[in-house]
Amino acid sequence: GNSVTQMEGPVTLSEEAFLTINCTYTATGYPSLFWYVQYPGEGLQLLLKATKADDKGSNKGFEATYRKETTSFHLEKGSVQVSDSAVYFCALSAGSGGSNYKLTFGKGTLLTVNP
Amino acid sequence: GAVVSQHPSRVICKSGTSVKIECRSLDFQATTMFWYRQFPKQSLMLMATSNEGSKATYEQGVEKDKFLINHASLTLSTLTVTSAHPEDSSFYICSAVGTGYIYEQYFGPGTRLTVT
Repeated sequence: GNSVTQMEGPVTLSEEAFLTINCTYTATGYPSLFWYVQYPGEGLQLLLKATKADDKGSNKGFEATYRKETTSFHLEKGSVQVSDSAVYFCALSAGSGGSNYKLTFGKGTLLTVNP
Repeated sequence: GAVVSQHPSRVICKSGTSVKIECRSLDFQATTMFWYRQFPKQSLMLMATSNEGSKATYEQGVEKDKFLINHASLTLSTLTVTSAHPEDSSFYICSAVGTGYIYEQYFGPGTRLTVT
């Protein structure tokens, strides 16, 4: 079956530090890959996505590249801010027919950025 | 665009009562909606897939008679927790997929259910 493994946190960084959150996946076929962010007490927001190999998703300074050869989709940001403190979820969508939309989530990584 | 709302945002109910949570797609038609449950500091667990005009598909281990899902229109799905018990206390999140949003889900803000 499909699965997502992401770096367990919590991750604590100082402002302007470099961020990497690792994510690897197992899936049949050609999944789409996503990073979602969840701020305290809120639902999930799509941060970025990539739908095919070598695609790079980017948003708000965050980037992730779909690496089929290593089955990875690591999240990076060059300079984090206090406002980036949140839980980050890696996810994939794969399947056939109506189940194309089903998402499989990683366990989430809590990021805390200190001033 | 692609906004999903949930109502209520928080609800407290007594054990044995039923609670209904609404999920609405505000600016698009949602052919498919999903319901998730999230425990503190944990990931989202998919409970069921809801398709407009048809019965919901429940994930293994989810009691369909306890968690009633109705997708009555292209903009509304409801989750009713029947005969709630304290162990049903959780954060419930819905998401919606529109007709043009292949592979992408838009999430509601979540509903915090507390059963006393």
